[in-house]
Amino acid sequence: QKEVEQDPGPLSVPEGAIVSLNCTYSNSAFQYFMWYRQYSRKGPELLMYTYSSGNKEDGRFTAQVDKSSKYISLFIRDSQPSDSATYLCAMSDSGGSNYKLTFGKGTLLTVNP
Amino acid sequence: SQTIHQWPATLVQPVGSPLSLECTVEGTSNPNLYWYRQAAGRGLQLLFYSVGIGQISSEVPQNLSASRPQDRQFILSSKKLLLSDSGFYLCAWSEQATSGNTIYFGEGSWLTVV
Repeated sequence: QKEVEQDPGPLSVPEGAIVSLNCTYSNSAFQYFMWYRQYSRKGPELLMYTYSSGNKEDGRFTAQVDKSSKYISLFIRDSQPSDSATYLCAMSDSGGSNYKLTFGKGTLLTVNP
Repeated sequence: SQTIHQWPATLVQPVGSPLSLECTVEGTSNPNLYWYRQAAGRGLQLLFYSVGIGQISSEVPQNLSASRPQDRQFILSSKKLLLSDSGFYLCAWSEQATSGNTIYFGEGSWLTVV
């Protein structure tokens, strides 16, 4: 079993739709969870950062972490064409190796006007 | 604020030629520095990380090497490129003092080996 699983998509939605992106993981030591957005041919940019379980909201974006299920989600409300990108989940534990992140392979999202 | 610069943005190199990618970070001191490679369908692969000047850890055995000659400078090199070295190379940094280590990426370098 891979440490982090992420559906690669592609996912295509109409403008204004609610988008749900998900990752599952197997390492119960993960405590820090991140979502990155990567536009085509660009470096990933940090979108959301969450520690442990719970929800975090930032504008149209909501990140959810369910540690009991080892499942994290990113919701995008009122999606816009500018949200079209690849979304990468990432996570790390809090131990001595906390300078490394484990990434999902990314989900390609297209929001159609 | 902190910024990260990475160059060149794009390069096409023949097989067997050398490689040098450079990265500098501004606005912070003693950062952790990373080199990742992103190949289509394979996600982000950590190649090297450094917690200080001259301190390099390699994650994957390959014909690439990394060096950190200054606190905020990280260099990725190869003496002889292989076709399989083609890909998108990303330099990244994080604060050493921050638990949970959010990593920030540069704009990347597209390498095509022909």
